[in-house]
Amino acid sequence: GGIITQTPKFLIGQEGQKLTLKCQQNFNHDTMYWYRQDSGKGLRLIYYSITENDLQKGDLSEGYDASREKKSSFSLTVTSAQKNEMAVFLCASSITGAQDTQYFGPGTRLLVL
Amino acid sequence: GDSVTQTEGQVALSEEDFLTIHCNYSASGYPALFWYVQYPGEGPQFLFRASRDKEKGSSRGFEATYDKGTTSFHLRKASVQESDSAVYYCALDIGNTGKLIFGLGTTLQVQP
Repeated sequence: GGIITQTPKFLIGQEGQKLTLKCQQNFNHDTMYWYRQDSGKGLRLIYYSITENDLQKGDLSEGYDASREKKSSFSLTVTSAQKNEMAVFLCASSITGAQDTQYFGPGTRLLVL
Repeated sequence: GDSVTQTEGQVALSEEDFLTIHCNYSASGYPALFWYVQYPGEGPQFLFRASRDKEKGSSRGFEATYDKGTTSFHLRKASVQESDSAVYYCALDIGNTGKLIFGLGTTLQVQP
C-alpha cells in the first residue's frame, strides 16, 4: 500500500498572494495530478505530470504553475490568489496513466480573504 | 468535446432501498469509464472501472455496465446502507490518456 500526503491541510491567503501547495506520494507512481474541486462543479484537472520534470496542462491551468522535481513530489502554485476564492485542491497519482486507477490525497482547503 | 453528465445532483433513500445514479457520457471510441466515491473530508476513492462495451464493473455491492449504445454507465446497488452516504462521481478517461473528466457528482444520503 501507499499514501498521498498533502500540505498544508488548510491554507488562508490574501488577495494577490502567491501560494504553494505540496503533494508527496510513496506509491512509486509515475504520473501525478492536481485537481481543483469547487462546490457544485466536480473535479477539474489543473496540471499533470507523467514523469519527473514533465508538466502537462489541464483545462484549468491558467493562474497556476506546477513543479515536479522528484518522482515522489508534485507542487502547485497559485500565482495570484483571487479574493473570496474558496476551493479544495486534490492531488492524485497513478502507476502510469491510461486507464489506471488514480489514488487521491485528502486535499488542501484554500480560503482567500 | 468529451463530457460526463450525472442526472441526479442529490439522492435521498432509506436503508435497504435500491439505488440508481445515472451517468451518460459523450466521447469518441471506447473511453475507460470509472466510478469514484468521496466521503466527507477525504479525497475520492476508486470504486471500479470498465473499458469495453457490455463490460460490468463492480465493488462493495455497487455495479455498473458499460453501454456503448446508450453511452451510459449507470451506478446501481440493490440495498443501500447508511454507510453508503457519500458523493459519487462518474468519470471518463479522455482518449485513454489518463486525463479524467469527472461528472458534477451525486450526493447520496441514506436514512437509517
